[in-house]
Amino acid sequence: TQLLEQSPQFLSIQEGENLTVYCNSSSVFSSLQWYRQEPGEGPVLLVTVVTGGEVKKLKRLTFQFGDARKDSSLHITAAQPGDTGLYLCAGYPFKAAGNKLTFGGGTRVLVKP
Amino acid sequence: DADVTQTPRNRITKTGKRIMLECSQTKGHDRMYWYRQDPGLGLRLIYYSFDVKDINKGEISDGYSVSRQAQAKFSLSLESAIPNQTALYFCATSEWTGSYNEQFFGPGTRLTVL
Repeated sequence: TQLLEQSPQFLSIQEGENLTVYCNSSSVFSSLQWYRQEPGEGPVLLVTVVTGGEVKKLKRLTFQFGDARKDSSLHITAAQPGDTGLYLCAGYPFKAAGNKLTFGGGTRVLVKP
Repeated sequence: DADVTQTPRNRITKTGKRIMLECSQTKGHDRMYWYRQDPGLGLRLIYYSFDVKDINKGEISDGYSVSRQAQAKFSLSLESAIPNQTALYFCATSEWTGSYNEQFFGPGTRLTVL
């Protein structure tokens, strides 16, 4: 069982629709990050949330950190084909030593034109 | 030019062979990492280094070794490759922003062990 569980694992939608990806844990995190990875490339950081209840917006992407700092969500409004990719959540467990980033299993998003 | 580069980008090898994957960075970061990615499992940490004299095991270090030759170079070795080491391997660097670490990934090396 992974420390961070992402759902769904795969999402296929039409251009213009909205989507939400979830990242859940039973552990508390000092911060959570969302990355997007495209084929043949490494993950690229989209956002970091550090305060419980925090909401951050990046154009059509909205990121939320749960009040208890155990979960996060990524919402995309009016998805476009360019949003296609693998979305990874990752976080620093609150009491873990060594400051190591833990990743979820990823959500593969396909936006069809 | 890419800030974090990895060589080779693709490699096919046979069971029992020794393989080295190399990573170089021009970002000037002290912290470097090696991850492997398998479908549905996200990225798992193999080894990390906070400076040239500091090497630490990650969650899946068995079967792997690393060398930090300089601040800018961090290589990963598979002493005797086995098929379940077939995966996508990523090198990363990080810097502390004041409230969190931001990681920067290389383009990855696709390794196939036959």
